[in-house]
Amino acid sequence: GAGVSQSPSNKVTEKGKDVELRCDPISGHTALYWYRQSLGQGLEFLIYFQGNSAPDKSGLPSDRFSAERTGGSVSTLTIQRTQQEDSAVYLCASSLGMFGYEQYFGPGTRLTVT
Amino acid sequence: GQQVMQIPQYQHVQEGEDFTTYCNSSTTLSNIQWYKQRPGGHPVFLIQLVKSGEVKKQKRLTFQFGEAKKNSSLHITATQTTDVGTYFCAVASGTYKYIFGTGTRLKVLA
Repeated sequence: GAGVSQSPSNKVTEKGKDVELRCDPISGHTALYWYRQSLGQGLEFLIYFQGNSAPDKSGLPSDRFSAERTGGSVSTLTIQRTQQEDSAVYLCASSLGMFGYEQYFGPGTRLTVT
Repeated sequence: GQQVMQIPQYQHVQEGEDFTTYCNSSTTLSNIQWYKQRPGGHPVFLIQLVKSGEVKKQKRLTFQFGEAKKNSSLHITATQTTDVGTYFCAVASGTYKYIFGTGTRLKVLA
């Protein structure tokens, strides 16, 4: 079946602009995760959704970051007033549940803030 | 807070040599997962370990969970060029968060 998809694959934006990143998880996966990966670095956990609910938003780097999930499916990560330090690959993953389930990652969105 | 360290950070091996990466946690783990990320790609799940002292094998890959469930290792026998990539361990932290290790980047020289 189809895997996790993300759009856009690449996004170049000017500093100060808002961007919206989209994630389509695997159908039936109730858990959805957002991560950020800077060049050559590890994965930084941002937020987790169980269904449409995000129980803990403390992983978001600043209040410029927000995320939502609707219909237990599609999720969007919004970054307002982008800064150069926001440049990274944003990865989305989904799984059947939170603990004990493998995460299936999408191809990521490469965000470049100029 | 919980910390997850991986060593080494980088490893260059000649094709055919063995390779091992270690993942160490500051706290006892309920389970641990391993992922591989090829250059330019996204992480792909390899395996999950749950039981104390558990050992699992996938062809040339051997995964081990420590007796105290605070560390894990991934060993590759007779590396091939297809093994190139970064290997991450991942652990659940608290109730709603996953922490990925710092990763070990493997380069295999033909």
